[in-house]
Amino acid sequence: DAGVIQSPRHEVTEMGQEVTLRCKPISGHNSLFWYRQTMMRGLELLIYFNNNVPIDDSGMPEDRFSAKMPNASFSTLKIQPSEPRDSAVYFCASSLEGPRNEQYFGPGTRLTVT
Amino acid sequence: AQSVSQHNHHVILSEAASLELGCNYSYGGTVNLFWYVQYPGQHLQLLLKYFSGDPLVKGIKGFEAEFIKSKFSFNLRKPSVQWSDTAEYFCAVNAYSSASKIIFGSGTRLSIRP
Repeated sequence: DAGVIQSPRHEVTEMGQEVTLRCKPISGHNSLFWYRQTMMRGLELLIYFNNNVPIDDSGMPEDRFSAKMPNASFSTLKIQPSEPRDSAVYFCASSLEGPRNEQYFGPGTRLTVT
Repeated sequence: AQSVSQHNHHVILSEAASLELGCNYSYGGTVNLFWYVQYPGQHLQLLLKYFSGDPLVKGIKGFEAEFIKSKFSFNLRKPSVQWSDTAEYFCAVNAYSSASKIIFGSGTRLSIRP
């Protein structure tokens, strides 16, 4: 298996633009997680899905952020409009459902908003 | 609410020194505990995990961790570090009742002097 795939790996955009980050989980995994990593705040869980259904989105910073999982093999995280404070590395992870299962992380998308 | 504390933000050691990174969590019920590692420029990967049984668990690359329930701690150890252990280390906890959601600590950056 290729592991969790994220695209793009790097994104540079101007303030106010829409940004869409993409994730393909490991085949067979039914839990998917979006994290944001910054120096100031560390690794934060934004939202997670079980069987394509959002379970906990309490970490989504504000209405500018939205996430979807239209099927078991694809998820998007959208920021509209983007702001400089959104600059961070965004990780997607997937796992089998359940509290004891290892999460497998993707390589991340480094987002820079100027 | 669950939380995870890693009190050492940055640890600097020489090669062959012994390592212990502290991790404390706040949750009184049954927990699952993890240590993840992030090598420079890479994504997070699992080092080891504890669910039940022997409180001393062994992971990859010579790492081990000890669960001490009375202290709510899950410290990571390695008898002799190598330069290649330079990375950021994250402790994480999952409360059994929280399904797949994992709370990560803020991370400890480990620098090894060759």
